[in-house]
Amino acid sequence: GQSLEQPSEVTAVEGAIVQINCTYQTSGFYGLSWYQQHDGGAPTFLSYNALDGLEETGRFSSFLSRSDSYGYLLLQELQMKDSASYFCAVSPGGAGNTGKLIFGQGTTLQVKP
Amino acid sequence: SQTIHQWPATLVQPVGSPLSLECTVEGTSNPNLYWYRQAAGRGLQLLFYSVGIGQISSEVPQNLSASRPQDRQFILSSKKLLLSDSGFYLCAWSPGTGGTYEQYFGPGTRLTVT
Repeated sequence: GQSLEQPSEVTAVEGAIVQINCTYQTSGFYGLSWYQQHDGGAPTFLSYNALDGLEETGRFSSFLSRSDSYGYLLLQELQMKDSASYFCAVSPGGAGNTGKLIFGQGTTLQVKP
Repeated sequence: SQTIHQWPATLVQPVGSPLSLECTVEGTSNPNLYWYRQAAGRGLQLLFYSVGIGQISSEVPQNLSASRPQDRQFILSSKKLLLSDSGFYLCAWSPGTGGTYEQYFGPGTRLTVT
């Protein structure tokens, strides 16, 4: 089977740094993605890690450790607009060119002033 | 640029009625297409995906079906809706060439079965 674990809720204050963790169990693995979804909206792509290490995109960074089946999303200089749900998603083995993703249950981030 | 359309935005249907949700993509050819369902406060459950016309893979057994009659058109259907079919239905696409796992989502259809 395939499963992903991430915290259900995280709260932080404006300007702070927050880390959202994701652990996964999959039969085969191509990479780990992160998506953001504001309330009532559609998910939007944030980042993708296929190799171990840190990928940085502006205020957001994503990390992957394939040996630990673990990754995280790091959000810096938090802003009120970062309040949203964040989903990790894995590309399982055998996905090939289907681009198939398996999503976690999501972490709701609340940023307080 | 590529765009993805879904309609309707909201839908209220009685139990036992049929369903047809449509998704179309513009500005790309031979995309991979996906249907997801999201229950309130939950993650995205992959229902179907398609890598080409007439090619449908089902992920979850249920009373829903999907079809891809044209390259950039993906339809989700049901003959008889259940209360448990309520949710937020999202269509998404990704490039069909592979090597990328970024998916682009449509605005979604919020379905309430009464």
